[in-house]
Amino acid sequence: DAGVIQSPRHEVTEMGQEVTLRCKPISGHNSLFWYRQTMMRGLELLIYFNNNVPIDDSGMPEDRFSAKMPNASFSTLKIQPSEPRDSAVYFCASTGLALSRNEQFFGPGTRLTVL
Amino acid sequence: GNSVTQMEGPVTLSEEAFLTINCTYTATGYPSLFWYVQYPGEGLQLLLKATKADDKGSNKGFEATYRKETTSFHLEKGSVQVSDSAVYFCALSAYQAGTALIFGKGTTLSVSS
Repeated sequence: DAGVIQSPRHEVTEMGQEVTLRCKPISGHNSLFWYRQTMMRGLELLIYFNNNVPIDDSGMPEDRFSAKMPNASFSTLKIQPSEPRDSAVYFCASTGLALSRNEQFFGPGTRLTVL
Repeated sequence: GNSVTQMEGPVTLSEEAFLTINCTYTATGYPSLFWYVQYPGEGLQLLLKATKADDKGSNKGFEATYRKETTSFHLEKGSVQVSDSAVYFCALSAYQAGTALIFGKGTTLSVSS
């Protein structure tokens, strides 16, 4: 089975540009999570969805960040405009009700560099 | 609120040494507890889990026991290998499926031959 798929794997952009990160969860999973990982702050939850509905977006750092889940098989995280301090690795994870108490499956991550 | 505290790293060991990475938690109710591992350049992978008190999770020679009385879930391995070098995250989930995990800050393990 394919795991969580993220694209692109690496993104280099200039300050002020729009960045869109993509995630395809594991088929059948109904919860999706976006995390950000940096050396300084570790692993942070940005937002998560249940059944395509955003449940908790309190981790989204500011209005420049937005996330959508238009259907059960696709989600995007958008940063507009991007800033150098947004440079990080962004992970997507998914889980399903049938799994044992919230075991999450992580994608390989997108390494974002904002110059 | 719910939180996870794990020992600061990095932890540096020689091959075949004994490993302990401490993890304690604060939670309401009866959380599930997890250890995730992140190898260089990769995403997090579930290493082991325990869903109720006194459960022992185990995988790849690693073990952790859910201790409700001490609110702990320490990770142990009797003999580490160079291939175990990675970052280890302790995490908890206090509700039903579909709720975000709460992670510790991670502990970097470096094993030399």
